[in-house]
Amino acid sequence: GAVVSQHPSRVICKSGTSVKIECRSLDFQATTMFWYRQFPKQSLMLMATSNEGSKATYEQGVEKDKFLINHASLTLSTLTVTSAHPEDSSFYICSARDTPEGGYQPQHFGDGTRLSIL
Amino acid sequence: LAKTTQPISMDSYEGQEVNITCSHNNIATNDYITWYQQFPSQGPRFIIQGYKTKVTNEVASLFIPADRKSSTLSLPRVSLSDTAVYYCLVGEIRSQGNLIFGKGTKLSVKP
Repeated sequence: GAVVSQHPSRVICKSGTSVKIECRSLDFQATTMFWYRQFPKQSLMLMATSNEGSKATYEQGVEKDKFLINHASLTLSTLTVTSAHPEDSSFYICSARDTPEGGYQPQHFGDGTRLSIL
Repeated sequence: LAKTTQPISMDSYEGQEVNITCSHNNIATNDYITWYQQFPSQGPRFIIQGYKTKVTNEVASLFIPADRKSSTLSLPRVSLSDTAVYYCLVGEIRSQGNLIFGKGTKLSVKP
């Protein structure tokens, strides 16, 4: 089945550091990928929709200059948390959907990145 | 996107059948119902998807009544490893639109 790989799985860094998270679709091409954030004991909240070759679409309340998204190829989207602060500490998860011709597949999720800002 | 309502938590014992019901009164004609499972510190994992009546795969069954205003995920003979949060989502199948997650149901399976 479709596999989405996310890297790194865990990041611990100092306040003010910028952190890049990669999301790859391993065996399919994804024109659209999604980035979610999940705080402890809460549900996933959509942050932005990443579109290959164009600008990302951000949800209300998500700062686009803070969370930079690049979707340069059909198999890779990156999320960069710029000048991260402790309040940015969270579990970040990406997803992608394989859309084979004539068919439909549900979204597949990466295993998430645990970001801890000291 | 149709809003969904699920029980916050459920308890069960190993070997029992577990049924988790989700309400989606405002489901649209083109909406499908999808269930995901999430373990701590992992991304959600697709379980099953359906439009109407009954769908069964190797891990679960999904029952959808004729009015489609609710659905029930059925997990046969649960084990301790089925302890997780289960999310019910409703959305248009062919749209590239995002998935809106509700609070989910935390299932605790006890020995």
